[in-house]
Amino acid sequence: DSGVTQTPKHLITATGQRVTLRCSPRSGDLSVYWYQQSLDQGLQFLIQYYNGEERAKGNILERFSAQQFPDLHSELNLSSLELGDSALYFCASSVAPGNSPLHFGNGTRLTVT
Amino acid sequence: DQQVKQNSPSLSVQEGRISILNCDYTNSMFDYFLWYKKYPAEGPTFLISISSIKDKNEDGRFTVFLNKSAKHLSLHIVPSQPGDSAVYFCAASALSNFGNEKLTFGTGTRLTIIP
Repeated sequence: DSGVTQTPKHLITATGQRVTLRCSPRSGDLSVYWYQQSLDQGLQFLIQYYNGEERAKGNILERFSAQQFPDLHSELNLSSLELGDSALYFCASSVAPGNSPLHFGNGTRLTVT
Repeated sequence: DQQVKQNSPSLSVQEGRISILNCDYTNSMFDYFLWYKKYPAEGPTFLISISSIKDKNEDGRFTVFLNKSAKHLSLHIVPSQPGDSAVYFCAASALSNFGNEKLTFGTGTRLTIIP
């Protein structure tokens, strides 16, 4: 158990809809990362937060947004969903940005129909 | 642009033998490298890392080798055990470049250990 909690585990929704994925980092971790893994692909970096502030952005679509709250949990919002957004979405946390490994949650599997 | 490449999608190894997983990278700014293991329905689990100031790091049955001139790293597992069957991801980051702690992942190699 990595200590990173993601909810829900599975999500099935229709095109055009909006969903929110939630992540609680490990106790004590201040940095949160979101990654997307499409079928047979590596993990693609979406966005990073540190202590409530956005720190780095990857190839995150404009239809996607995220935030980290004062209690350090994070939410990833996906809107105007398309079939191609179907993927595994992973949250990871680390003590601080830098030389510390990321610890991943078990992911949320999003299916857009 | 795939900056971290794992060219072998799968690998089968006899139990007790050595498993060697390979990874190549193209970005010369990368200075911190990690290996993750992933079981089905779980998130990736950190295995071992290496900084670019070293060329080898060992942790039990796992050893990572880094060849900076060739931009190549490898993970050796000795001896291989059935529980090692999983997908292995190579990842890299550019720690010295402020704000670039994010990890860039390869596409993974599925390792199967044959009893």
